Amino acid sequence: KQEVTQIPAALSVPEGENLVLNCSFTDSAIYNLQWFRQDPGKGLTSLLLIQSSQREQTSGRLNASLDKSSGRSTLYIAASQPGDSATYLCAVRGGSYIPTFGRGTSLIVHP
Amino acid sequence: DGGITQSPKYLFRKEGQNVTLSCEQNLNHDAMYWYRQDPGQGLRLIYYSQIVNDFQKGDIAEGYSVSREKKESFPLTVTSAQKNPTAFYLCASTFGVGGGNQPQHFGDGTRLSIL
Repeated sequence: KQEVTQIPAALSVPEGENLVLNCSFTDSAIYNLQWFRQDPGKGLTSLLLIQSSQREQTSGRLNASLDKSSGRSTLYIAASQPGDSATYLCAVRGGSYIPTFGRGTSLIVHP
Repeated sequence: DGGITQSPKYLFRKEGQNVTLSCEQNLNHDAMYWYRQDPGQGLRLIYYSQIVNDFQKGDIAEGYSVSREKKESFPLTVTSAQKNPTAFYLCASTFGVGGGNQPQHFGDGTRLSIL
């Protein structure tokens, strides 16, 4: 059964720092990996989707990489801002087409 | 704008009562999902449906029921058999049957509490 782990569980940084959030998964036979953002009391907002054949995807200050063979993905946030404060979740979709979610990294960016 | 609408935003259940959470999407997505989110536990799959009139149990289906009579709608009923229903419920959808290579989209959630 696929297991997804996100490290660290929580992170607090000053504004302007570049940060890396980690997502690891146990079964490398995946179709894609998706990164989400969740604000308190809200649903999940899709940030980036990386297909299994891709190595990375970029959107603005966000860059997500995927290394299937090692079962890892990273979400890089450049020049962090207080508005980036949220919980970030990754989800991996494998052969069953049902995504498996990590528990998320709670990020606080303070001014 | 296309999206997923969940209602109500807040819901209170009395003991012994069944309640139904609504999920409607206008994205023309085939697959729809219901998740439960508890603090510190991440998202757990309750039910999912890949086509109309068909649905499958997820990891924690006991005490819940669903229907999929229309492509746009996937309501979730929390029955009195669910003894710990207090949680945040999220509905999601994906384009295409199975949605293997497509992103998943989410509604804004319904928070269910016990009176």
